Amino acid sequence: DAGVTQSPTHLIKTRGQQVTLRCSPKSGHDTVSWYQQALGQGPQFIFQYYEEEERQRGNFPDRFSGHQFPNYSSELNVNALLLGDSALYLCASSLSWTGGETQYFGPGTRLLVL
Amino acid sequence: AQSVTQLDSQVPVFEEAPVELRCNYSSSVSVYLFWYVQYPNQGLQLLLKYLSGSTLVKGINGFEAEFNKSQTSFHLRKPSVHISDTAEYFCAVSGSLRGSYIPTFGRGTSLIVHP
Repeated sequence: DAGVTQSPTHLIKTRGQQVTLRCSPKSGHDTVSWYQQALGQGPQFIFQYYEEEERQRGNFPDRFSGHQFPNYSSELNVNALLLGDSALYLCASSLSWTGGETQYFGPGTRLLVL
Repeated sequence: AQSVTQLDSQVPVFEEAPVELRCNYSSSVSVYLFWYVQYPNQGLQLLLKYLSGSTLVKGINGFEAEFNKSQTSFHLRKPSVHISDTAEYFCAVSGSLRGSYIPTFGRGTSLIVHP
């Protein structure tokens, strides 16, 4: 059983560009959450998708948007990249989410903005 | 608002010694509590979680944690560590705010096990 997969593993962009990150959840999971982990920090919740809709959102600007497809895979889009967007972006999947479910994390996509 | 404080950024310890990683949280509502481990260049893996019931929670790899509501703490312990336990450990809280549970993570504690 493949766990959570993310692509690409690494990405280099320049300020002002746009980026799309992809995530495939663990088999059978219907909920996908995205996190930003800056160097030396804990993960920060960006948003969560369930049934192709954004269900919860953390304190991130509208430049961060996402999508969930019918097969539960998900994309994270970031527009107008800033230097401060450089981070490890983690995707986590779970079987629904009422607060206490175990989240399974992917290895992340490391984004560097120059 | 909820928050998580991991009191030690780095904990060095010798192999086979006991270890405790400290975590305090603040939340105005009932919470779920988690400990995750992150090995280099990998995602996070759940060690254990507290949802309700017994305040002593046992997890994988010999780790355990105790939920203390009066002290709002959820410290992680292991009686005897191995070199392979060297990793970053994150405490997280998930509390209900208007029906939603948004997870909040601490900044992490780096456990360094010396031979």
